[in-house]
Amino acid sequence: DAGITQSPRHKVTETGTPVTLRCHQTENHRYMYWYRQDPGHGLRLIHYSYGVKDTDKGEVSDGYSVSRSKTEDFLLTLESATSSQTSVYFCAIRGPGMNTEAFFGQGTRLTVV
Amino acid sequence: AQKVTQAQTEISVVEKEDVTLDCVYETRDTTYYLFWYKQPPSGELVFLIRRNSFDEQNEISGRYSWNFQKSTSSFNFTITASQVVDSAVYFCALSVPDTGNQFYFGTGTSLTVIP
Repeated sequence: DAGITQSPRHKVTETGTPVTLRCHQTENHRYMYWYRQDPGHGLRLIHYSYGVKDTDKGEVSDGYSVSRSKTEDFLLTLESATSSQTSVYFCAIRGPGMNTEAFFGQGTRLTVV
Repeated sequence: AQKVTQAQTEISVVEKEDVTLDCVYETRDTTYYLFWYKQPPSGELVFLIRRNSFDEQNEISGRYSWNFQKSTSSFNFTITASQVVDSAVYFCALSVPDTGNQFYFGTGTSLTVIP
């Protein structure tokens, strides 16, 4: 199995509080991604990183920020959590080349109350 | 722009029936890859197959087969003699040359196999 772990796995937080999710990899892959999964929407890309300190927005980036200060860690921050951000969040890693598969973390179930 | 459409939101079949999951994609790139992932009820995402845009040969792996047709921009997935363990959400995805090397996912098809 690819070495990718997400923490925490579950979190309940209150509206308006900041939340940070962590993705850690041991594969030294260049690309890292944060997705959210909601019923009827599949997997939607929030942000991605193509190198240390190189990040860009995905299709649903509003309300989220990311940081990647070292290859192995990719952090997703909800600056001020809202109920619409209740979701399951997946981190993924991928090597170079469009032929490579992505490896996914086990997901973080976030509930904003 | 890239787009993947999985028009079938939910499918139910009785065990041992065959089932085909449809995937239609849009891209202007001539070189690209297509993927299928499985997400069982436990939640993890499992890679099933990849296919490049220059290889239209069908692929068979046990009870699974994939039919890639560039003429219709489709990459369909067939499960033969379905089993309860096939119950899962299946995602089709497209990968093209871009900065983020990202996947463009369809919205998924939830397959339920009834014993």
